[in-house]
Amino acid sequence: DARVTQTPRHKVTEMGQEVTMRCQPILGHNTVFWYRQTMMQGLELLAYFRNRAPLDDSGMPKDRFSAEMPDATLATLKIQPSEPRDSAVYFCASGPPPLNTEAFFGQGTRLTVV
Amino acid sequence: QQQVKQSPQSLIVQKGGISIINCAYENTAFDYFPWYQQFPGKGPALLIAIRPDVSEKKEGRFTISFNKSAKQFSLHIMDSQPGDSATYFCAAETSGSRLTFGEGTQLTVNP
Repeated sequence: DARVTQTPRHKVTEMGQEVTMRCQPILGHNTVFWYRQTMMQGLELLAYFRNRAPLDDSGMPKDRFSAEMPDATLATLKIQPSEPRDSAVYFCASGPPPLNTEAFFGQGTRLTVV
Repeated sequence: QQQVKQSPQSLIVQKGGISIINCAYENTAFDYFPWYQQFPGKGPALLIAIRPDVSEKKEGRFTISFNKSAKQFSLHIMDSQPGDSATYFCAAETSGSRLTFGEGTQLTVNP
């Protein structure tokens, strides 16, 4: 059963701490997205990669957020330093070639910054 | 121009009724229009999708109606069931690019 795996599922951290969220895309998928979901803003695209290269990270606050794909099986999203306004559910999704039309979402990481 | 506008924000229907959610877009380059369904605590999952070369697509109780000239598309859920209670997102994409999501509609189907 192919699925996108995200860890951790839940994270509570203090303001100022570094947070790292991990994502294992579905094997064979070459596009990886990071979305943030809040009640106020809905689903916001933070960044996405194709064939491990970043294509768009314009939705991400550059001063504190960073996204990488060290290899084809791992994507990471880091927040340093974290702030209470970063509290949200962060979703990773992956998409298959060639057109990457469908995005398969993971279960999300619920982040609470206190 | 990248926005997708979705309405209503919330919807309550009775079991057996028809649920209708509407979306509008501006970017005429969009060529793929999916609907995603999200249950509490889960990630969104693809429900049904349409390309602009057809005006309607039906899969079971779910139908997408597409009006290219008006730049609008809608999701119809026939014979709505309590198990359909979820948040629904419309989205739009230019092939090979990334999805732009609507704001979401929280659907509640009362038994």
